[in-house]
Amino acid sequence: SQTIHQWPATLVQPVGSPLSLECTVEGTSNPNLYWYRQAAGRGLQLLFYSVGIGQISSEVPQNLSASRPQDRQFILSSKKLLLSDSGFYLCAWNGLTTGELFFGEGSRLTVL
Amino acid sequence: AQSVAQPEDQVNVAEGNPLTVKCTYSVSGNPYLFWYVQYPNRGLQFLLKYITGDNLVKGSYGFEAEFNKSQTSFHLKKPSALVSDSALYFCAVRDMEDSSYKLIFGSGTRLLVRP
Repeated sequence: SQTIHQWPATLVQPVGSPLSLECTVEGTSNPNLYWYRQAAGRGLQLLFYSVGIGQISSEVPQNLSASRPQDRQFILSSKKLLLSDSGFYLCAWNGLTTGELFFGEGSRLTVL
Repeated sequence: AQSVAQPEDQVNVAEGNPLTVKCTYSVSGNPYLFWYVQYPNRGLQFLLKYITGDNLVKGSYGFEAEFNKSQTSFHLKKPSALVSDSALYFCAVRDMEDSSYKLIFGSGTRLLVRP
């Protein structure tokens, strides 16, 4: 069966420090991958998606970037964190034949 | 552009009563519609989806949703609420003509079921 892993689960970082959140999927090949951010425990904002290795689409201009170095690995990065980058980051993959997204357990980032 | 609206920030119901969480959508093509549930500090869990066919869709944990094309709605329902149903619920839509397969989510509705 397919599983999705995100780490770290919790991260506290100072303003101006770098960031790397990692997401990996097991049990499927060539998935579409997505990074969402959830602020204040409410709505989800799509940040990036990827349909293949090295293919990244950005949905909103921001301080973050994404990379997909391997088929089932999706990384969210920043060179210098801002206070406004705080939030709950969710990685997801898409079951193309059925349409729904499957989410990881999330990474909570607090920037101080 | 695709959009989803969840008009209620919070829905309060008594345990054992029926519940409804509302969702309306706007897409340029035919929609795929989804409901997810989120418990505190957890990822989203898939509940059910509408792709095509019967307008009444049954999902996990006794939830169901009714697709209404004329009203562009996809309301989530359950005949008898449980305290454990208390959580944050999200409606989402995908435009079938969008090759990215991304989902656009509503702002979420917090369901509180009181004993």
